[in-house]
Amino acid sequence: DAKTTQPTSMDCAEGRAANLPCNHSTISGNEYVYWYRQIHSQGPQYIIHGLKNNETNEMASLIITEDRKSSTLILPHATLRDTAVYYCIVRVGGGNQGGKLIFGQGTELSVKP
Amino acid sequence: GAVVSQHPSRVICKSGTSVKIECRSLDFQATTMFWYRQFPKQSLMLMATSNEGSKATYEQGVEKDKFLINHASLTLSTLTVTSAHPEDSSFYICSARHVTGELFFGEGSRLTVL
Repeated sequence: DAKTTQPTSMDCAEGRAANLPCNHSTISGNEYVYWYRQIHSQGPQYIIHGLKNNETNEMASLIITEDRKSSTLILPHATLRDTAVYYCIVRVGGGNQGGKLIFGQGTELSVKP
Repeated sequence: GAVVSQHPSRVICKSGTSVKIECRSLDFQATTMFWYRQFPKQSLMLMATSNEGSKATYEQGVEKDKFLINHASLTLSTLTVTSAHPEDSSFYICSARHVTGELFFGEGSRLTVL
């Protein structure tokens, strides 16, 4: 079973920051949080991942709470092309090298003009 | 980034026939690949973990005799849907684990069984 819960859908205005929350209250100490997104009828695209520190890359920022029970993905300046389903995933088993990704239901983000 | 390719991207077959879907890691070797299935408006469901040179590990509820997985080389895993029926129509997606631990996904293969 997926170890994450996310809102089913969210809207965001183009050019504004999109903040996507995720709860993972049962996460274990060595389990990483991953974010992927899926645009309709395509394979998932990797966004970012982290263990306990906040992370930033060219696509997004990941903020993980100190107790690691929740996290937020931030798209700083959302564009129409960011419209997709965003999955927050806890990588189960094997730390950052092994294990597998069990997808939850994801958040359908709609970026509107 | 690394590329994972699936073939075919779309396939239509008659009920009762078998269909093979290939997953290739084009520029890296992958000892482990994963197969997912996705129905319309639903999330990805992990079907099995494919390990090079050994038997696949299937998730609970997935019929191993129905979904045959072969991982004969470090760059290729295949999923064969045997005796396909309309309820097997779905979007099948594979991912491959890079040596760094990163997981790269293919573009998916849409199966339609008539």
